[in-house]
Amino acid sequence: RKEVEQDPGPFNVPEGATVAFNCTYSNSASQSFFWYRQDCRKEPKLLMSVYSSGNEDGRFTAQLNRASQYISLLIRDSKLSDSATYLCVVNMNYQLIWGAGTKLIIKP
Amino acid sequence: NAGVTQTPKFRILKIGQSMTLQCTQDMNHNYMYWYRQDPGMGLKLIYYSVGAGITDKGEVPNGYNVSRSTTEDFPLRLELAAPSQTSVYFCASSYTTSAEYNEQFFGPGTRLTVL
Repeated sequence: RKEVEQDPGPFNVPEGATVAFNCTYSNSASQSFFWYRQDCRKEPKLLMSVYSSGNEDGRFTAQLNRASQYISLLIRDSKLSDSATYLCVVNMNYQLIWGAGTKLIIKP
Repeated sequence: NAGVTQTPKFRILKIGQSMTLQCTQDMNHNYMYWYRQDPGMGLKLIYYSVGAGITDKGEVPNGYNVSRSTTEDFPLRLELAAPSQTSVYFCASSYTTSAEYNEQFFGPGTRLTVL
């Protein structure tokens, strides 16, 4: 079983829709969690950290479920500029373990 | 601040050749990392450094070497290039490795092809 698993997609979503991704992780001792965004042929950039109580940043909401070992990312009112690959990242023993990413395509 | 810079952006190597990928950061970060990203895969950690003079292996170190003589620079050396090393290489840095605040800042990447 992979340490961090994501649905690779692509998710094809009309502009303005709401879309959600999940990510599962295998190590229950994982310490912290992040979502990174990676545009095509570019470097990853931090989108948001994921806190135990859930957190929101504008149109983006992240949730953590430690009991089921998954994190989620919800994007509301999606924009064309949200098209990217979203990488789930888990901090284990002070090293980041990266998922392969979920590709999102927003259509006009 | 330029952030994290990497050179070259692209490179084609022949099997058995060697090269050094350069990485420099101007954020005074102690922690630096080298990753490779294969198509459709997550980033894999090659080597990392917690400060000048200190380096350690990551998940996939075979075929690579690193050095860290200054805080700013963290070059990655490929010896005897093989087709399996065809990948995109990212250098990153972070202020800390604490669980809460481990944001890593990435360079633009080096696309390497070994033929």
